[in-house]
Amino acid sequence: EAQVTQNPRYLITVTGKKLTVTCSQNMNHEYMSWYRQDPGLGLRQIYYSMNVEVTDKGDVPEGYKVSRKEKRNFPLILESPSPNQTSLYFCASSSIGQSEKLFFGSGTQLSVL
Amino acid sequence: KNEVEQSPQNLTAQEGEFITINCSYSVGISALHWLQQHPGGGIVSLFMLSSGKKKHGRLIATINIQEKHSSLHITASHPRDSAVYICAVPTGNQFYFGTGTSLTVIP
Repeated sequence: EAQVTQNPRYLITVTGKKLTVTCSQNMNHEYMSWYRQDPGLGLRQIYYSMNVEVTDKGDVPEGYKVSRKEKRNFPLILESPSPNQTSLYFCASSSIGQSEKLFFGSGTQLSVL
Repeated sequence: KNEVEQSPQNLTAQEGEFITINCSYSVGISALHWLQQHPGGGIVSLFMLSSGKKKHGRLIATINIQEKHSSLHITASHPRDSAVYICAVPTGNQFYFGTGTSLTVIP
């Protein structure tokens, strides 16, 4: 089954404790991206990757890191989380090109205390 | 600054009603996406369209690239259509999203 697998589904942590949210897709997609969703602000893009070892900043990259060492995986790293990073996070993938259908992970609800 | 504006923000309809959700954008694009997010959070892609109209079951999406406007229509609405509908606009390799339209269909 074609899918984007995102883990964990829920995460509660404390300020400054490094964490990683994993994202994996089984569709051989070149394009992968991370978004955060906040009430009243909607979805905003954090980082995206056009292929292995190619990553770029989205609209709100501050405080986040990503890596794309393999085509299927695109982890989101928060090296020193802060309370303003409390949000609902989504990973998505698609074939190359902005005009291809997006496939989303199930989301990660992160709370930073 | 939000490049994408959606209206209405909230919408309540009786079952069976025809529903229209609008999306306007300010940037030049080649395609636009409509997404659906059910309570519980999962997001699914409904349509990707670059011109004209697409239909899937009771859902119809239209786009006018020159006027920078798209609409999502739901015919014969049903309570299971209750969800947040989001339009997404790719610009370069980035995506910009509307803040969503929360639809509630009452039996």
